[in-house]
Amino acid sequence: GAVVSQHPSWVICKSGTSVKIECRSLDFQATTMFWYRQFPKQSLMLMATSNEGSKATYEQGVEKDKFLINHASLTLSTLTVTSAHPEDSSFYICSASPITQSSYNSPLHFGNGTRLTVT
Amino acid sequence: DAKTTQPPSMDCAEGRAANLPCNHSTISGNEYVYWYRQIHSQGPQYIIHGLKNNETNEMASLIITEDRKSSTLILPHATLRDTAVYYCIVRVYAGNNRKLIWGLGTSLAVNP
Repeated sequence: GAVVSQHPSWVICKSGTSVKIECRSLDFQATTMFWYRQFPKQSLMLMATSNEGSKATYEQGVEKDKFLINHASLTLSTLTVTSAHPEDSSFYICSASPITQSSYNSPLHFGNGTRLTVT
Repeated sequence: DAKTTQPPSMDCAEGRAANLPCNHSTISGNEYVYWYRQIHSQGPQYIIHGLKNNETNEMASLIITEDRKSSTLILPHATLRDTAVYYCIVRVYAGNNRKLIWGLGTSLAVNP
């Protein structure tokens, strides 16, 4: 149980275009999902917290107009990288926790990530 | 900033126990310790978490010292598929958001 699916698993796009990444919780509902970015040989960096039915909360230094987040339902959050540049090339990962696990210490489950390459 | 300290790399022979240490000397009383692992080019996989008591599941055991300033993840019989980066994390609770602050982890190489 507690499967998080990301799509696509990899994408190549041209500079200046936009790319949408989907994060779905397949067998549970989640009011909150988290988006991370990971550069090669580095750790995960939290970008933003996606809240169902409200605006996302962005970490310091993350441009909200560049990384658009939409959490339209309890099972889907999307991250859109707008006007992508080569420096946006990275590994993007989402995570979520089942809504029924009300304890704030319940573990997060992660998608398999999306490898974005901007040429 | 990461609140945990782990050795950057470790080796383990296949079939032997892998003991991965983690220091979290500034941990607060209500903060849990989480362990995740990340196999190359995949998303992190949850392993185990605990508060103060030792924990065991089908994947691993977690030993937390009495003062809670350090912990050890034990993979009882390591296999080649256990080769991964292992992250020890203390979660920061900021309002309604539960943030996981990731360090660089320990790169575990299981050798045949």
